[in-house]
Amino acid sequence: EDKVVQSPLSLVVHEGDTVTLNCSYEVTNFRSLLWYKQEKKAPTFLFMLTSSGIEKKSGRLSSILDKKELFSILNITATQTGDSAIYLCAVASGSRLTFGEGTQLTVNP
Amino acid sequence: DTEVTQTPKHLVMGMTNKKSLKCEQHMGHRAMYWYKQKAKKPPELMFVYSYEKLSINESVPSRFSPECPNSSLLNLHLHALQPEDSALYLCASSQVTGRDYGYTFGSGTRLTVV
Repeated sequence: EDKVVQSPLSLVVHEGDTVTLNCSYEVTNFRSLLWYKQEKKAPTFLFMLTSSGIEKKSGRLSSILDKKELFSILNITATQTGDSAIYLCAVASGSRLTFGEGTQLTVNP
Repeated sequence: DTEVTQTPKHLVMGMTNKKSLKCEQHMGHRAMYWYKQKAKKPPELMFVYSYEKLSINESVPSRFSPECPNSSLLNLHLHALQPEDSALYLCASSQVTGRDYGYTFGSGTRLTVV
C-alpha cells in the first residue's frame, strides 16, 4: 500500500520566520511528487517534482526531491500571515494520487 | 482554459434524495478523478476514469455512482446517502501519460446530508 507521511503535522511561527515542511513516501511505480496549499476550498497546486536534486522555486517557496532517500522538503522563507494554510504533499503512482495528512501552518503577526 | 469546473458549489440533500455532482474540464486531460475530503483530513481517492473508462474504484459504496459521458465531463450520482457522507467532493483531471503533467483540482462541492 502506498504511504505518504508529512511532518510536522502542525507548526506555529511568527511572520518573517523560515519554515521547512517534510514529506517522506513509500510507493510503487513512482511518477511524481506534488505539493499543494489548501485554505478553505480545493488544493492549490504549488510544485511538481520528478527528478532528484533539482530545486523548484516560486517566490518565497522552494522545494526539492530526493528519490534515493524517498523524501521531499518544502521551504517557505520570510513567512507572511497569508501563508497560513494546510500544506499537502501527494505522490502520483500509476493512476493514483496519494496524499499525506498535511501540515497545518499558522503564521502569527 | 486551465480550469476544472464543479457544480454545484454547495448541496444539501436528504437521505432519500437523488442528486448529481458535475465536473467539466477542457484541457484535453484524459484522466479524471473523484476525491472525498472530510474536515481536517487529506483527500481520499474514490474513482479514476482513464479514457472515459472506469479504471479504479476504491471500494466505494454503491450509493455513489460515477459516470463519464465524454472526455470533458464527469458526474457523480448520489442516492440514499448517509449523514457521514457529508464532505467536500473534489474532482480532478490530469494527462494519462507523459512526464510533464499535473493534477488540476476543481473548487469542490460541499455536500451536507441531512
